[in-house]
Amino acid sequence: AQSVTQLGSHVSVSEGALVLLRCNYSSSVPPYLFWYVQYPNQGLQLLLKYTTGATLVKGINGFEAEFKKSETSFHLTKPSAHMSDAAEYFCAVSEGGATNKLIFGTGTLLAVQP
Amino acid sequence: DSGVTQTPKHLITATGQRVTLRCSPRSGDLSVYWYQQSLDQGLQFLIQYYNGEERAKGNILERFSAQQFPDLHSELNLSSLELGDSALYFCASSVGLGLAGQETQYFGPGTRLLVL
Repeated sequence: AQSVTQLGSHVSVSEGALVLLRCNYSSSVPPYLFWYVQYPNQGLQLLLKYTTGATLVKGINGFEAEFKKSETSFHLTKPSAHMSDAAEYFCAVSEGGATNKLIFGTGTLLAVQP
Repeated sequence: DSGVTQTPKHLITATGQRVTLRCSPRSGDLSVYWYQQSLDQGLQFLIQYYNGEERAKGNILERFSAQQFPDLHSELNLSSLELGDSALYFCASSVGLGLAGQETQYFGPGTRLLVL
């Protein structure tokens, strides 16, 4: 069965610093991986996704993630944090096959300090 | 704005009661998914409907049920409510069946349920 582990439930960075949010997955089949962001009192918004092809995926708001099969990782990065990036970030894996259901990690709350 | 709408935004009710949460998918989307977000369980998949038919089930309690209507809106019914059912319930939609798991799911703003 697929699963997702997000290391670090809380991450704090200074404005302008590198953002690195970690995600490791477990899957018996080639995974489809997603990063979603949740701003306070809002729904989830897709940042980026990996399905097939290029392992470096670029998303919205300057975020990108690299799929590393050998490390079973899909870490999310952004070169320079902005105050507006403060939110909760969720990594998810999709089983594929007959269903598109998403299995989410426990989330990482990102704080950006001025 | 994802194009997915959910009503009501907030719901406060008592233990033992029954509530109905409503979801309208994005225009053209045939699949609807329900997720529960709680402090202790995190974000969990409940159930998926495609064009009116149930396609996949997750950790959905027997007290919970859902359906998708001909106009493609969906309702999640929660009955015999317990304190532990207090959570944020999200609806998401995607274009098709999502075979091979590649389809993007678009999430609504959620319904916050508080059971007292």
